[in-house]
Amino acid sequence: DIQMTQSPSSLSASVGDRVTITCRASQGISNSLAWFQQKPGKAPKSLIYAASSLQSGVPSKFSGSGSGTDFTLTISSLQPEDFATYYCQQYNSYPFTFGGGTKVEIK
Amino acid sequence: EVQLLESGGGLVQPGGSLRLSCAASGFTFSSYSMSWVRQAPGKGLEWVSAISGRDGSTYYADSVKGRFTISRDNSKNTLYLQMNSLRAEDTAVYYCAKLVEAWGQGTLVTVSS
Repeated sequence: DIQMTQSPSSLSASVGDRVTITCRASQGISNSLAWFQQKPGKAPKSLIYAASSLQSGVPSKFSGSGSGTDFTLTISSLQPEDFATYYCQQYNSYPFTFGGGTKVEIK
Repeated sequence: EVQLLESGGGLVQPGGSLRLSCAASGFTFSSYSMSWVRQAPGKGLEWVSAISGRDGSTYYADSVKGRFTISRDNSKNTLYLQMNSLRAEDTAVYYCAKLVEAWGQGTLVTVSS
């Protein structure tokens, strides 16, 4: 099985900050990587697929990059509505696996 | 707009069974693979199972293999998850998902005596 390691597991940031979250796969997954945002008590929301493609309706402050084993999610200017937990998921091969999540909190 | 609506969750005793359903709309259901993902209270996301759109091939996490069965009825645009031999550790919110694009609101399954 492919292991997905996210870092950091949590971070504190201020409104307006640029935030970067990383996700590392235990083996190459090409660009079969998605990012999701989840707020407390809510279902996850899809942000990015194919490592760098923005889902329809997702603001351009979110961006993704990477290929192979190393990936990043960047939020260019953190806003109050962005405080949430973020997950990566590989869908290159079954079983599909998620990273452990990164909780973004207000500093 | 893609919409996914789960149902069928509830309280069940250990060893019991439950069937979840997910009604899909807004896309050509038969053309897409579909997944179930769960989230235990206070924990992260765990992929559970998937079924392909074309040939109905199925895939499972080791934690549920042999106990859960995923299926679909393309004539009804509905995805199912039959859960047998339920354990306390299966307690979670179960989400239906169209791969990397859309999620349902989730349905809570509680396994407890």
